[in-house]
Amino acid sequence: QSALTQPASVSGSPGQSITISCTGTSSDVGGYNFVSWYQQHPGKAPKLMIYDVSNRPSGVSNRFSGSKSGNTASLTISGLQAEDEADYYCSSYTRSSTPVIFGGGTELTVL
Amino acid sequence: QVQLVESGGGVVQPGRSLRLSCAASGFTFSTFGIHWVRQAPGKGLEWVALISYDGSNKYYADSVKGRFTISRDNSKNTLYLQMNSLRTEDTAVYYCAKDSGTRGHSCDYWGQGILVTVSS
Repeated sequence: QSALTQPASVSGSPGQSITISCTGTSSDVGGYNFVSWYQQHPGKAPKLMIYDVSNRPSGVSNRFSGSKSGNTASLTISGLQAEDEADYYCSSYTRSSTPVIFGGGTELTVL
Repeated sequence: QVQLVESGGGVVQPGRSLRLSCAASGFTFSTFGIHWVRQAPGKGLEWVALISYDGSNKYYADSVKGRFTISRDNSKNTLYLQMNSLRTEDTAVYYCAKDSGTRGHSCDYWGQGILVTVSS
């Protein structure tokens, strides 16, 4: 099964908002409200930022929000800060025999 | 606090075997599924395997099916990944990650990762 499609890179200036897309199919992103987003700083383990499309775990800043339309999910970061510079990965539950699929990842640069 | 600590990584020749372990603490291990996720050098995350809370259900990525086996010992709060017939493309940092317990199978806590290098 192919990975979910994310842009390779996005960038923004401090204080701005950016959106990262994650495109799948009706068998994964479009078929279920089970999209997650992870943040990964270099050399560190991933951190869960959003689960079930739009829910934030305790302790995650409300500058991070998630949404979905059709087969595409989105992560929006508002009030961009230098510490947000990292790689971001989406994942989704899938109908196939492998229950989880990740996106290829997006590198966020804060200018 | 939740802690997941991987061990057992290292350098291994192609075709050989290796077993990874993941020691868990800070939560009731026997009530949550656990994932293995890997990341090849400079590449993205790849989901590898998932085992249910009681070990009765196991799921694998196509890339490792038939070669890797996930298991757990709830009496020891430990997860395992037996990796056989290793290939150079299995070279990666391997993370164990706690399943959140929701239907979406998000990973809410991760270990620090352990490097496996498959090379002759």
